[in-house]
Amino acid sequence: QQQVKQSPQSLIVQKGGISIINCAYENTAFDYFPWYQQFPGKGPALLIAIRPDVSEKKEGRFTISFNKSAKQFSLHIMDSQPGDSATYFCAARGRGGKLIFGQGTELSVKP
Amino acid sequence: DAGVIQSPRHEVTEMGQEVTLRCKPISGHNSLFWYRQTMMRGLELLIYFNNNVPIDDSGMPEDRFSAKMPNASFSTLKIQPSEPRDSAVYFCASSFSRTYTLSARDNQPQHFGDGTRLSIL
Repeated sequence: QQQVKQSPQSLIVQKGGISIINCAYENTAFDYFPWYQQFPGKGPALLIAIRPDVSEKKEGRFTISFNKSAKQFSLHIMDSQPGDSATYFCAARGRGGKLIFGQGTELSVKP
Repeated sequence: DAGVIQSPRHEVTEMGQEVTLRCKPISGHNSLFWYRQTMMRGLELLIYFNNNVPIDDSGMPEDRFSAKMPNASFSTLKIQPSEPRDSAVYFCASSFSRTYTLSARDNQPQHFGDGTRLSIL
């Protein structure tokens, strides 16, 4: 019940395309859903986050779509660029403030 | 502003040796988290502190692991004795929390350091 399932494991997108990464959770007590971006040799960095009382949040080219009834949320990267190539993690915050991370998606944007 | 600083960046040591990883959180942050990242298990929370007090250590794998936070600007994660299966990247993260239990209204993000890549031979 504490798991967050993320898909796909890897994704290849052409420059200018849309990258979509999906996550699903079971625990309805999760109260905050961040996405982190990680480059090789670096720690994860917060990209964008959403609360469960909001269905969509957009920041620049990055959008989170949240479906509370389906217990799913997704990250959309519009106009994907080679510089977006990184590993993306979804997460959910549970009891005591603990973040539960998905397994990660390795995104490669081809020029 | 300086981010979360971890040292060393890389550590290679032999099985059975004591390993100490260090972390300096962002100034003003009062919550500190230790994570372990492996290909098999992804990112796992090991332990977190709030105002220098350990709040949840349920993720610590076994008694060989211990963590301390003697003051607001320093924390250590120690493995003694180390084993090859401890090889991983260890991250420290910090955030500011207004409440003891990191309530729903307290959406302060966690800022990660660049990690320590640990290899136990």
